Amino acid sequence: SQTIHQWPATLVQPVGSPLSLECTVEGTSNPNLYWYRQAAGRGLQLLFYSVGIGQISSEVPQNLSASRPQDRQFILSSKKLLLSDSGFYLCAWSVTGETQYFGPGTRLLVL
Amino acid sequence: GDSVTQMEGPVTLSEEAFLTINCTYTATGYPSLFWYVQYPGEGLQLLLKATKADDKGSNKGFEATYRKETTSFHLEKGSVQVSDSAVYFCALSDPVYGNTPLVFGKGTRLSVIA
Repeated sequence: SQTIHQWPATLVQPVGSPLSLECTVEGTSNPNLYWYRQAAGRGLQLLFYSVGIGQISSEVPQNLSASRPQDRQFILSSKKLLLSDSGFYLCAWSVTGETQYFGPGTRLLVL
Repeated sequence: GDSVTQMEGPVTLSEEAFLTINCTYTATGYPSLFWYVQYPGEGLQLLLKATKADDKGSNKGFEATYRKETTSFHLEKGSVQVSDSAVYFCALSDPVYGNTPLVFGKGTRLSVIA
């Protein structure tokens, strides 16, 4: 069966510090991968998605970037965090482009 | 472009009350429709889905019917429990756009009180 992992689960970072969040999927090959952000009490904001290694589509211009160094690994990064980057970051995967399956999320607090 | 509109929340119900959360959509093609649930502090879980008109998705006592004539996919449950307190998201996948992410509504927060 397929599983999706995200780490860390919780992160507290100072403004201006770098960020690296990791997402890995097991039990499937060549998945579509997605990064979402959810601000407190708000809906989902799609940040990036990838249909293959090295293929990244950015939905919202900002100080975040994404990379897919391996088939089942998706990384969200920032060189300098802003207060507005605080939120709940969710990774998801799909095979058909239809049903998406979500990870447990990473809660990021920027102080 | 495609879009999903959900009723604004929060929705507060007493235990055993009937639940309806409205969802309507606009799409270019013939989309698949989904309901996801997010419990506090967790990621989203697929609750149910329907892939064509008149299909009914069901799971854990929740149901939703794909209504093409009204472009709707309302979520219903006959008797809610405190454990159903969560945020519910309606979403669609439009095959016209191929391999693209789901389009989500803004979510509806449900609180069930004992």
